Amino acid sequence: GENVEQHPSTLSVQEGDSAVIKCTYSDSASNYFPWYKQELGKRPQLIIDIRSNVGEKKDQRIAVTLNKTAKHFSLHITETQPEDSAVYFCAASIVLVFGQGTRLTINP
Amino acid sequence: GAGVSQSPRYKVAKRGQDVALRCDPISGHVSLFWYQQALGQGPEFLTYFQNEAQLDKSGLPSDRFFAERPEGSVSTLKIQRTQQEDSAVYLCASSLRAENSGANVLTFGAGSRLTVL
Repeated sequence: GENVEQHPSTLSVQEGDSAVIKCTYSDSASNYFPWYKQELGKRPQLIIDIRSNVGEKKDQRIAVTLNKTAKHFSLHITETQPEDSAVYFCAASIVLVFGQGTRLTINP
Repeated sequence: GAGVSQSPRYKVAKRGQDVALRCDPISGHVSLFWYQQALGQGPEFLTYFQNEAQLDKSGLPSDRFFAERPEGSVSTLKIQRTQQEDSAVYLCASSLRAENSGANVLTFGAGSRLTVL
């Protein structure tokens, strides 16, 4: 089955700087790659997703890139703000397999 | 309803007790998933329903775990003879389309936090 690895497990950046979180996956048949944001005690919320026929997708300060050959995809957050602080999960496959999560802290 | 609703939000059980967790998906959503999220971990897949059919239960950790969705809407996850290692947040998610129709955009419920003493 699918295996998803996520790095780093924690990330601390200064407000206004960019943050990048990377994930690798194992199943070349996977064709859907969402990113979820989970605030403490809250449900995971979809923030952006990408499908395998697209290499990059952007939504305001958030972008996701996909490299199907290398089987990795990344989340990019630019101009980070304190409200971006949360745990971020990548996922892959049709029945989603999640990464271990990245705790992102934005330092004012 | 407007979102995925789960109940109870919090459940404390004594070891050996049976528990039942309920999920009300978004009306009309075909697919329903259960995930287990341990503290500080990502959600781990438990089981998947397409309408009333349980198509994948490969993630259920033992035969103490049982899920059903008899009428293709509300689902119940039952855990028999709970153990301390069952303590986790149990997340339910639903999706409009069937798994085999392509990518699933999941909407998660708030979860049921189970603590087994």
